[in-house]
Amino acid sequence: RKEVEQDPGPFNVPEGATVAFNCTYSNSASQSFFWYRQDCRKEPKLLMSVYSSGNEDGRFTAQLNRASQYISLLIRDSKLSDSATYLCVVNYYGQNFVFGPGTRLSVLP
Amino acid sequence: EAGVTQFPSHSVIEKGQTVTLRCDPISGHDNLYWYRRVMGKEIKFLLHFVKESKQDESGMPNNRFLAERTGGTYSTLKVQPAELEDSGVYFCASSQDIPGTGRNTIYFGEGSWLTVV
Repeated sequence: RKEVEQDPGPFNVPEGATVAFNCTYSNSASQSFFWYRQDCRKEPKLLMSVYSSGNEDGRFTAQLNRASQYISLLIRDSKLSDSATYLCVVNYYGQNFVFGPGTRLSVLP
Repeated sequence: EAGVTQFPSHSVIEKGQTVTLRCDPISGHDNLYWYRRVMGKEIKFLLHFVKESKQDESGMPNNRFLAERTGGTYSTLKVQPAELEDSGVYFCASSQDIPGTGRNTIYFGEGSWLTVV
């Protein structure tokens, strides 16, 4: 089993739709959780850090369920510019960051 | 404040040649990481420095790869001799632990795109 798993995707949604991505992790000692977005041929960029049960930033909401070892990302009112690959990243303090395989999102006009 | 910088941004070399990639982390960041993404695969961890020490090098694929971080500042990743399967993008990242919080965030450079022909 992979350490971090994500919805396989791709997700193709119309503009204005709400889309949710799921991520599960296997290391119960994981402490920090993040969502990064990666555009084609670019580096991953931090979208949101998730430290408690969840947080919201504009159209983006991340939720964390430590008991189920599950993280989600909800994007509301999706824009064309949201098209990217979304990476779930998990970290145990002082150790390396482990990446999920990513879920590709295409927002269609 | 400057972000993580990497050099070269692109490199095309022949099989058997040597390439050295350089990474300058964000100033003051003790943690420096190397990751690699080969075509169609996910981002994979290579190694982690804390200052000048190798904290974890479990992801290094074989002894053709050598990473250094002399003085705890910039790092180099040398591939010698390069093979075709080494082609991909090599990302460097840095972070700084926030004492007492168990938190840190990783910031990436733009990557060094390596093509071995």
